[in-house]
Formats: sequence, C-alpha cells, structure tokens
Amino acid sequence: QKEVEQDPGPLSVPEGAIVSLNCTYSNSAFQYFMWYRQYSRKGPELLMYTYSSGNKEDGRFTAQVDKSSKYISLFIRDSQPSDSATYLCAMSAGTSGTYKYIFGTGTRLKVLA
Amino acid sequence: DARVTQTPRHKVTEMGQEVTMRCQPILGHNTVFWYRQTMMQGLELLAYFRNRAPLDDSGMPKDRFSAEMPDATLATLKIQPSEPRDSAVYFCASGLVAGGPYEQFFGPGTRLTVL
Repeated sequence: QKEVEQDPGPLSVPEGAIVSLNCTYSNSAFQYFMWYRQYSRKGPELLMYTYSSGNKEDGRFTAQVDKSSKYISLFIRDSQPSDSATYLCAMSAGTSGTYKYIFGTGTRLKVLA
Repeated sequence: DARVTQTPRHKVTEMGQEVTMRCQPILGHNTVFWYRQTMMQGLELLAYFRNRAPLDDSGMPKDRFSAEMPDATLATLKIQPSEPRDSAVYFCASGLVAGGPYEQFFGPGTRLTVL
C-alpha cells in the first residue's frame, strides 16, 4: 500500500461544475499538505498548501485537511476549461532533516466547455 | 523570471547506452530533487540534495543510476546502462528549505525513451 493514495481518474465535468479531488494517506506524521497542478507536458506547479487540519481558500479553490480521517480534498468552484490538468497532492512530515514530499499519482481532470 | 531548466528536453536512445540529464536549479535555492514520472507509478522521488550534499538516494536503482551536484548551478542524473523500463519523464525541482513548508519549483522535464 502506498503512503499516499489518489484516484487517477480521469474525471470529466461540465464547465461551471464544482469539482472535488481527494487523497488519503497512512502516515499520521504528515503535517504539510500541498496541491500541485500539472498541465500536459509541463512540470507541476504549486497551487495551494495547508498546514495541519482545517480549510484554506484562494479564489475558486478550497483546500481541506482532515487529519483524524487522514483525508485531504481540493474543491474547485465554477470550474473552467483552463482548469483541465492533472492535480497532484503532496505531503510531508516536515520534521527536522526530512525535506521530501510524498506525491500522489495525480487525478486527471477535464472540464468540458 | 527565475525558473529551473533541464536539458535535454527529449532523449531517445538504445538499450545499454549511457544517458545524462542536466538541471540548473533556481539561483539561491538550497535543495534539489530528481523525480521520475510514469503513468503507472506517478511521481517518484529518486534523490535529493541539500547544499549540494546528497541527503537521500534510496529511490534510485543504485546499480545503474547516479546523481551528483558538481556545483550549485548544476545537478546531473546519469543512467548507465539504460534499459527500456527507464522510459519516463524525469523532473528536476529546486526549493529553498529553511524549516516549515516550502515550494518545490519544477523544471519542464526530460522525456526519455529507451528502445
């Protein structure tokens, strides 16, 4: 079993829909949680990050962390065709000397115009 | 506009050949990562360096892969000999790690095909 699990999709939604993307994890030491967006044939780019549990909102994007369930989510409101990409979650324990992030395999999202 | 650069962008080679991929991290970043991305496995961490010192290369097949940082502006990943199962996109990323969360900036990747 991988430390971080993510449904690969693909997920197809109509323009304007609310999108929910999720990851589960097994390491209770994780405390930094990030979402990266990767367009086709490009490198991933940081979209949002959260620390510990709770919600964080940035425009149409909301990141949610539930540490008790070891579950994180990314919500996209009013989805646009330009949101079509692969979304990767990443997480880290962030303890001294541990700098690496563990990435999910990514969920491919397609927003249809 | 600071960015991570990688060369070559595409590489097609035959099984058994040596492959060298190069990365120039963002100036001032102290940590460099090498990842491999495939459809099946997603983004796998191969190795990473802090202040040019290797911290963890447990993700690399040691018998054929090697990673180095000869100076602060260059990181290299070598595969010798290459095998068809090494076909993937290899990403370099850099970041400024100073305690707490940090952003990893990814390069455009090297798409490797081993025939």
